[in-house]
Amino acid sequence: SQKIEQNSEALNIQEGKTATLTCNYTNYSPAYLQWYRQDPGRGPVFLLLIRENEKEKRKERLKVTFDTTLKQSLFHITASQPADSATYLCALYGEYGNKLVFGAGTILRVKS
Amino acid sequence: GAGVSQSPSNKVTEKGKDVELRCDPISGHTALYWYRQSLGQGLEFLIYFQGNSAPDKSGLPSDRFSAERTGGSVSTLTIQRTQQEDSAVYLCASSPYRVTGELFFGEGSRLTVL
Repeated sequence: SQKIEQNSEALNIQEGKTATLTCNYTNYSPAYLQWYRQDPGRGPVFLLLIRENEKEKRKERLKVTFDTTLKQSLFHITASQPADSATYLCALYGEYGNKLVFGAGTILRVKS
Repeated sequence: GAGVSQSPSNKVTEKGKDVELRCDPISGHTALYWYRQSLGQGLEFLIYFQGNSAPDKSGLPSDRFSAERTGGSVSTLTIQRTQQEDSAVYLCASSPYRVTGELFFGEGSRLTVL
């Protein structure tokens, strides 16, 4: 069956460190993979999209990698700040490319 | 407005009542999605519209759930004979892209069924 798996346990890190979140998928062949941020009581907000032919994508303090062999994406936040505390969701399109499916998300807590 | 607008933001209803949730997408966005998020859970896909048609209704949990979109714009999600397990946040998202691309989410409608 198709699965998108993210760390179910919260990730607690110290301010200034790099946070690394993992997204693994099974039985998908996505051409794109996306990352979203969700704050409590709010809708998700798009952060980054990476294509299958891109190994890495950067935006300010964010970096995403995409390994289609390992079927894994890593999401990094460098020089993390307490304001980065949120739930981070990975998402990819299912078969036929018209349904964006989300992982359950990983809670990130950055402590000062 | 500039973003996706959903109403009501909060709805409390009694078991067995029907509810309608509304989504106003960003103007010009052709794709519209409905998701459901239960407390502490991930996003569960419900239905996707491209224009006024729904190529994928596979996520609707039962025949009590229906959705429509008119004029390629506003969408309504209707839940008939609500049950307590329908309690969740219902999120709407729109996208200017036909098939793939980023989604722009509303803030959601929180439904509580007593």
